[in-house]
Amino acid sequence: EPEVTQTPSHQVTQMGQEVILRCVPISNHLYFYWYRQILGQKVEFLVSFYNNEISEKSEIFDDQFSVERPDGSNFTLKIRSTKLEDSAMYFCASSEEGFSTDTQYFGPGTRLTVL
Amino acid sequence: AQSVTQLDSHVSVSEGTPVLLRCNYSSSYSPSLFWYVQHPNKGLQLLLKYTSAATLVKGINGFEAEFKKSETSFHLTKPSAHMSDAAEYFCVVSLGGSNYKLTFGKGTLLTVNP
Repeated sequence: EPEVTQTPSHQVTQMGQEVILRCVPISNHLYFYWYRQILGQKVEFLVSFYNNEISEKSEIFDDQFSVERPDGSNFTLKIRSTKLEDSAMYFCASSEEGFSTDTQYFGPGTRLTVL
Repeated sequence: AQSVTQLDSHVSVSEGTPVLLRCNYSSSYSPSLFWYVQHPNKGLQLLLKYTSAATLVKGINGFEAEFKKSETSFHLTKPSAHMSDAAEYFCVVSLGGSNYKLTFGKGTLLTVNP
């Protein structure tokens, strides 16, 4: 069964460093998303991406964040200058176009630890 | 605005007994509703989805959920708990239309005792 994959599974970085989290969505899906879950808190929407542009973003998704689909298979989340409060589990998701667009399939997550 | 309230942060049941995880939602539109499960150190797995076709929705692993518009509820049930059901369960709402953002509840941790 096709699945969303994410790398790395765990990333440790120093405050102020740039990190790139990588995702490979399900191959025929056209909508891509990032969510995050700070320890002990809700899963929160960050951004959605369709047709090579951001379709919606939350207030969390400020200028420090960017997303990119650099090729036909990868979808990345970049944090330019990490802060301690960026420590969280980051989930990538994808969905297909059509009736089931709102059915999102999630990857296993990347745990980001900012020291 | 849409929101989801999961009424219990922790539910503990014995193996073989029924499971009830409660969820209430708030949405200005006809929402799509989902239950996702997260096993320890794993990603979010879709259990089931409601989209107005039928009020009783069957999902994987014997779970089902009933949409009750009058009560704005979407409770998750299973007749007989299994040890492998121990996990965190999230009730999720989507506005649908052209807005595909998912709004998550805080989650309910299900513990299954032998």
